This record gives sequence, C-alpha cells and structure tokens, in this order.
Amino acid sequence: GAGVSQSPSNKVTEKGKDVELRCDPISGHTALYWYRQSLGQGLEFLIYFQGNSAPDKSGLPSDRFSAERTGGSVSTLTIQRTQQEDSAVYLCASSAGTSGLYNEQFFGPGTRLTVL
Amino acid sequence: GNSVTQMEGPVTLSEEAFLTINCTYTATGYPSLFWYVQYPGEGLQLLLKATKADDKGSNKGFEATYRKETTSFHLEKGSVQVSDSAVYFCALSDVFQGGSEKLVFGKGTKLTVNP
Repeated sequence: GAGVSQSPSNKVTEKGKDVELRCDPISGHTALYWYRQSLGQGLEFLIYFQGNSAPDKSGLPSDRFSAERTGGSVSTLTIQRTQQEDSAVYLCASSAGTSGLYNEQFFGPGTRLTVL
Repeated sequence: GNSVTQMEGPVTLSEEAFLTINCTYTATGYPSLFWYVQYPGEGLQLLLKATKADDKGSNKGFEATYRKETTSFHLEKGSVQVSDSAVYFCALSDVFQGGSEKLVFGKGTKLTVNP
C-alpha cells in the first residue's frame, strides 16, 4: 500500500478482555515500531522490530502486552486482560531501517482503544 | 535516560503572527532531533529534522536549529497561517539496542491560529 495502515481504527472492549491490533507497514520497510499515545503519558515507545525479531521491547508496560511480526511485514500487538489504563491510541510506524543513517518513520493513523 | 521537554501550551495566535515553540532535550549520546506535526484527524507527520549540531531543519516555512550548547531545538515560523493549526511534537532519536531508532517525544504543543 501507499502508507502504513492499521486496523481496526476504533476498538471498544470490556475490562478483562483480550484485544489484537494490526499494523501493515509500507512494503519493503524492514523496521517497525509501536507507540502509544495517551492523555496522561503522551507518546511512548512500546516495541521495535527489525524483520521478524524484536531486539527492543523496552517500552512494553507489562507482560500483558506482546507483539509479533510475521513475514517481515504485518505486525500484531496483543493486549491481554485489558485494563482501563490501556485506553489510548496505538500508533504503528515503519521505516526503511538502513543502518548507519536515520531512517524516517512513517506513521499509521492509529487504533483508538477504549476499555470500559 | 533520554528525554524531551517542550512548551506545552496551548498556544493561540492570530494569522501572520510569529511562532516559537521551545524544546530542550537530555541525551547521553548524539541524537537526531525532529519536529512532528499532527493535524486534526490525521496521523503524525515528520515536519523537519536535524541530525547533528548546528544543522538547521526547515520545511513549509518552519525552521529549527540543533543547538548542542543549549541542548535545544526550538521551532519557529515567521508568519503562521490558519492551516498551521495542529499539535506539534518535538522528538529525539538515537541508536538503541538492536539498532532501534525509537523516538522519544515531548508532550506536544497544541497550536491554534485564528483568522
């Protein structure tokens, strides 16, 4: 596709349920990032993928959060046993990931998660 | 650790006014610095960047200079337009574990420009 896409655009769930958020990066981009945007905490990094591996998971807030990437393309962020504080906009970004240079990250439109 | 502090606003200006949004950073290495913009209902977009000290990034009439001595990257525009109304985020990136270039963002500054 032309840009990064994310689905669903909105997700409302009940506390305690599991949710899966999907990201389709720009074709050919090897690096993929997940961020979270919330009123209280601003924009925070969650996890970084290079290809299918995740060498930097330092931003995941708890073990209820996990992510995977398959085929060097699509990524899924899973939140188990959702809590109200998980309510936020979850953003995905991808970049060409060429080492030695800063690679511009292109952001998707986000998934707005509301936990009731 | 690395962090970014920016003027939180909100900022309200009249069209053609001068804009400054302050941004300072703390970093252990030699980060790249960025301004991202989020227009109403749209995703984050890179506005401008600077990758080393004394570099000036510019785009759409906006400018910011990477000042290592003051650890600052203030955003300026000489004459704002209504269409500049958006939320502006200052950010830094360094190379972290595994080659991650994760962005560390400031809290964002909401700018409203009135006609």
